[in-house]
Amino acid sequence: GAVVSQHPSRVICKSGTSVKIECRSLDFQATTMFWYRQFPKKSLMLMATSNEGSKATYEQGVEKDKFLINHASLTLSTLTVTSAHPEDSSFYICSARDGSVNTEAFFGQGTRLTVV
Amino acid sequence: GDSVTQMEGPVTLSEEAFLTINCTYTATGYPSLFWYVQYPGEGLQLLLKATKADDKGSNKGFEATYRKETTSFHLEKGSVQVSDSAVYFCALVSAGTALIFGKGTTLSVSS
Repeated sequence: GAVVSQHPSRVICKSGTSVKIECRSLDFQATTMFWYRQFPKKSLMLMATSNEGSKATYEQGVEKDKFLINHASLTLSTLTVTSAHPEDSSFYICSARDGSVNTEAFFGQGTRLTVV
Repeated sequence: GDSVTQMEGPVTLSEEAFLTINCTYTATGYPSLFWYVQYPGEGLQLLLKATKADDKGSNKGFEATYRKETTSFHLEKGSVQVSDSAVYFCALVSAGTALIFGKGTTLSVSS
């Protein structure tokens, strides 16, 4: 099946710094990528949807200036957590949809962010 | 809007027991339905899917049937193994939108 690679898998950063998370589709072109945040009680919250070459669409309540999303190519999307604070600590998961398939989405391995 | 409701759990079973995890959905269109599995510390993996009514998705002994009349997509397995211990998410997608997930059900299987 299609492979989505997310990097890094774990990162620890200091409060006030920024962290970039990469999401790559390895064997297909991802016209649309999604970023989710998973909270300790398992639920997945959709943060934003990004389409290649255009601005991301953020879900209500997600700060676009804090969570910068860039989808510059058909195989790469990045999420940058700016001026990170401990409450941003979470598990972030990206998902990519093959442009030729309207339904199925493939997930990266996730990134565990800890802000100290 | 569209939504997915699945049983909360945790579900605790002995090895070789029968598993059912209930999932119902609300959608305005004709969604595709999915079950994803998440092992500890990892991302989500697609377990099975069904794209239209009466379709049955199956994989690794797991099955789920798309029931439009009851708006359900219950996950079943006849004989669970310890290695099936994970969190299971029911999800739907319609009209090219992002997947909408249920809250996840933790399954714990003991030997």
